[in-house]
Amino acid sequence: QVQLQESGPRLVKTSQTLSLTCTVSGVSISSGGYYWTWIRQHPGKGLEWIGYTLHGGSNYYTPSLRSRVSVSVDTSKNQFSLQLRSVSVADTAVYYCARAYDTMGADYWGQGTLVIISS
Amino acid sequence: DIQMTQSPSSLSASVGDRVTITCRASRTISDYLNWYQQKPGKAPKLLIYRTSSLQSGVPSRFSGSGSGAQFTLTISSLQAEDFATYHCQQSYMTPHTFGQGTRLDIK
Repeated sequence: QVQLQESGPRLVKTSQTLSLTCTVSGVSISSGGYYWTWIRQHPGKGLEWIGYTLHGGSNYYTPSLRSRVSVSVDTSKNQFSLQLRSVSVADTAVYYCARAYDTMGADYWGQGTLVIISS
Repeated sequence: DIQMTQSPSSLSASVGDRVTITCRASRTISDYLNWYQQKPGKAPKLLIYRTSSLQSGVPSRFSGSGSGAQFTLTISSLQAEDFATYHCQQSYMTPHTFGQGTRLDIK
């Protein structure tokens, strides 16, 4: 049974770096064909696709965050991580990690974690 | 970026109603369109991928159609558990953008 679980600080100060980790179980993160994805949702708003990493090291990010974001993989721990630098209050959101299979949508999600950016 | 626009933004319906939600892309995306259901405080759940393929375990009252730049999600006979927010997403080109969501509530 595939499961994803986000972890990381719930409160981050402005201008600092938001760091979240997604621990994956039930499937190897090294398996081909999966896009290990981060998505966020501002309070009361729609979903915003942040980016994904593929096995093999390719990463794709949304242009609006590209200068501040990076996603990495730790295959030894079966985890992938999100770093968002120089955060502001506009980055306050629920952050989800998810697995997408090629272009067929995200079929497994973490439960989401609310990260609050505050001075 | 490809912009995704859903209509309506919200609607009210009754159990047993047939409901249709529309998603329009700012350019053609072939059939690379996915639909999700989200309930309050929960992660989205994949309902339909590639326009019309039902995700495993999703009831057959959900269906999707369309091509090019216009797509629809239809719920043939609303059940109580279907009241939720629905999101479309294109996976044709990165970034894999979402629509703004359609909130479906009880009339």
